[in-house]
Amino acid sequence: SQKIEQNSEALNIQEGKTATLTCNYTNYSPAYLQWYRQDPGRGPVFLLLIRENEKEKRKERLKVTFDTTLKQSLFHITASQPADSATYLCALYTGGFKTIFGAGTRLFVKA
Amino acid sequence: DTEVTQTPKHLVMGMTNKKSLKCEQHMGHRAMYWYKQKAKKPPELMFVYSYEKLSINESVPSRFSPECPNSSLLNLHLHALQPEDSALYLCASSPSDETQYFGPGTRLLVL
Repeated sequence: SQKIEQNSEALNIQEGKTATLTCNYTNYSPAYLQWYRQDPGRGPVFLLLIRENEKEKRKERLKVTFDTTLKQSLFHITASQPADSATYLCALYTGGFKTIFGAGTRLFVKA
Repeated sequence: DTEVTQTPKHLVMGMTNKKSLKCEQHMGHRAMYWYKQKAKKPPELMFVYSYEKLSINESVPSRFSPECPNSSLLNLHLHALQPEDSALYLCASSPSDETQYFGPGTRLLVL
């Protein structure tokens, strides 16, 4: 079955540094992959979508890469701020309205 | 209106109660979803409606009964739930099978 792994349950970084989160998947070749942000007790918020024919996508301080050979996506937040502290979910579209979410990485940015 | 709303925000119910969760969106999205999320776990897909018709039921127990009265509304009827059903229930909508827009969720506690 399709499996998504996000590299670590929690990541602590200092304000101003770049946070890098990893998403690995197996047993599928998705047409696209998405990243969402989730704050405690709230619903996920869409951040970025990257398609299989795209290597990189940027939005303000966010950057996503997608390597279909390695079956991996990297999510970067540059110049991180305490307000970036949240859980970041990787999500794989598997077809027919089905999206599988990774367990998420909890990011803590210290001032 | 660019958001998904859910009511109630919190719900406490006994195992013999019948209650309903409500979700509403006015973005003209053709697909609507119910997810269940336990603490520190990813959202798990329960049901998908496309054009008001149930298109996916992820083998959810019959004590959960979805309903889509019109293109803007999605209900989840609950009956004879178990304590292990306590979770955050998320509703989402999407204009196509890509990016999903989530509501804030209903925090359900079954006693």
